[in-house]
Amino acid sequence: GQNIDQPTEMTATEGAIVQINCTYQTSGFNGLFWYQQHAGEAPTFLSYNVLDGLEEKGRFSSFLSRSKGYSYLLLKELQMKDSASYLCAVRSPISGGYNKLIFGAGTRLAVHP
Amino acid sequence: DVKVTQSSRYLVKRTGEKVFLECVQDMDHENMFWYRQDPGLGLRLIYFSYDVKMKEKGDIPEGYSVSREKKERFSLILESASTNQTSMYLCASSLDRENTEAFFGQGTRLTVV
Repeated sequence: GQNIDQPTEMTATEGAIVQINCTYQTSGFNGLFWYQQHAGEAPTFLSYNVLDGLEEKGRFSSFLSRSKGYSYLLLKELQMKDSASYLCAVRSPISGGYNKLIFGAGTRLAVHP
Repeated sequence: DVKVTQSSRYLVKRTGEKVFLECVQDMDHENMFWYRQDPGLGLRLIYFSYDVKMKEKGDIPEGYSVSREKKERFSLILESASTNQTSMYLCASSLDRENTEAFFGQGTRLTVV
């Protein structure tokens, strides 16, 4: 089956660091995405990992371990505007050489002063 | 910037009505997707299309159909709306089969009464 797990909610303090974990069990794997979604808005792309290791992009970093079926999103120097839901999505192969995205339920992050 | 536009932000329909949700993208993307997003369940794929007049069932196609007569437009149809189809509907597009970074529309919050 297809299963992607991430915590439902997290809270953190402005200026701190927070790590959002994602574990997955899918029938195939061709990469993992992280999206940010503010309340009432569309999800927007944050990062993509296909090889093991850490990808850094400004205040945000994403890590992948394919052997463990595990990823995390690291947010540094938290700002109030980082309060949002963070969606983990696995790119999974289907017939015809195509792929589809399978999403986790999302982690709602609340940043407080 | 890629723009994915959904025709309505909010819709209220009656049980049994036929409902059309329209989505247009302006970047000549080959792939288009319809998801619904429900609390605790995340984004679930309803239907997708990799070319004009082509459609494939996603994970939860029951009660829905789609139409893609032109490359830029992908319509989701609820043949006979039911209250369990009350949800947030998100349309997305991506460039081609090698690139599945998805760009999302703003979403349509549909309420069926």
